[in-house]
Amino acid sequence: QQQVKQSPQSLIVQKGGISIINCAYENTAFDYFPWYQQFPGKGPALLIAIRPDVSEKKEGRFTISFNKSAKQFSLHIMDSQPGDSATYFCAASWVSGGYQKVTFGTGTKLQVIP
Amino acid sequence: NAGVTQTPKFQVLKTGQSMTLQCAQDMNHEYMSWYRQDPGMGLRLIHYSVGAGITDQGEVPNGYNVSRSTTEDFPLRLLSAAPSQTSVYFCASSADMNTEAFFGQGTRLTVV
Repeated sequence: QQQVKQSPQSLIVQKGGISIINCAYENTAFDYFPWYQQFPGKGPALLIAIRPDVSEKKEGRFTISFNKSAKQFSLHIMDSQPGDSATYFCAASWVSGGYQKVTFGTGTKLQVIP
Repeated sequence: NAGVTQTPKFQVLKTGQSMTLQCAQDMNHEYMSWYRQDPGMGLRLIHYSVGAGITDQGEVPNGYNVSRSTTEDFPLRLLSAAPSQTSVYFCASSADMNTEAFFGQGTRLTVV
């Protein structure tokens, strides 16, 4: 069962537009929420991450919005570019059995068209 | 600075064969993990290790074995390959689970 529900599965955005990917969770023990970007044939790479004590984090054109009460977080890509075309995964980590564990969403394939 | 290195990049196995997927990292990270990536299912954790000599199961461990004799290496063994194990496998390492995970380039495995 997926502990982090990610939507949409795929997304097509015009160049210059805003891409929005959403994730929802139930486990209130999650304490770290990273987003990973994956290009075809490559491994995922960390894009941006947030901890639940802040509601927003911005790095360049990428912003995470975090709503603790709604148990939702989202990735916003401003001024989307064709080079942003990739698969994006949200993730969440928590302590279980004395160790940190991490679970990933199912991914969103983003295509930015010129 | 190689980061996380996985070998091989591609592999075709026959049903019932065994093989080992190699993973090595040069960042002195304590945490290492193996994931499989299947269409529409994201990344699912197979096994992980929190340090040399310590391993534990993830959410899809059946059919796979791991060991961690050194900090650098974390091989994944398929005992008797099945078509259901056709997937792309990623190894990752991190200083701990609550920080950035660094992924290898992946191994695309096909079991026929």
